[in-house]
Amino acid sequence: DAGITQSPRHKVTETGTPVTLRCHQTENHRYMYWYRQDPGHGLRLIHYSYGVKDTDKGEVSDGYSVSRSKTEDFLLTLESATSSQTSVYFCAISPAGGINEQFFGPGTRLTVL
Amino acid sequence: EDQVTQSPEALRLQEGESSSLNCSYTVSGLRGLFWYRQDPGKGPEFLFTLYSAGEEKEKERLKATLTKKESFLHITAPKPEDSATYLCAVQDHNQGGKLIFGQGTELSVKP
Repeated sequence: DAGITQSPRHKVTETGTPVTLRCHQTENHRYMYWYRQDPGHGLRLIHYSYGVKDTDKGEVSDGYSVSRSKTEDFLLTLESATSSQTSVYFCAISPAGGINEQFFGPGTRLTVL
Repeated sequence: EDQVTQSPEALRLQEGESSSLNCSYTVSGLRGLFWYRQDPGKGPEFLFTLYSAGEEKEKERLKATLTKKESFLHITAPKPEDSATYLCAVQDHNQGGKLIFGQGTELSVKP
């Protein structure tokens, strides 16, 4: 998985609780991304980062926030989880934001009851 | 609006039966087209990047081709271990490094 770990790998939580997912890379890549994958929708970009403390919104950013205080870590926070955020979340990294392939982590399966 | 459509949604083959997967795309300016393989319960695994029409890339039994409107992933003499979901994604010049994914083709190869 290209030196990418995600934690936790599985989580079950209740509606209204805050949740933080962590992505950690050992590749020293500049760009990091958070996607969600749902049946019928494929992979959709939530947020991405192009450097420490530099982040931007993706296609489905409502209800999510991110932070990146170190090159190696990119955190995704659900401030108040809802059932519609039940999904599989993938982190990806890329050496640059140009025409470079993205490498994906193993994913986190999140269930919001 | 950028769009990626993959067909078929699912494909069942016998071992050794060659076939092709299709990825049709609409983008204002194609920067690159990417193919990934995804096994159940795992993250997508990068296979190929194609940059311009006419380009081809090969890896073992897989060959990816690109035209101005679509890409094909040809699978020659597939084996059961080729069973996976194959994802296509595009990058638009006007959208930075963001990838737009299709919904994938689930390939099953029976011995």
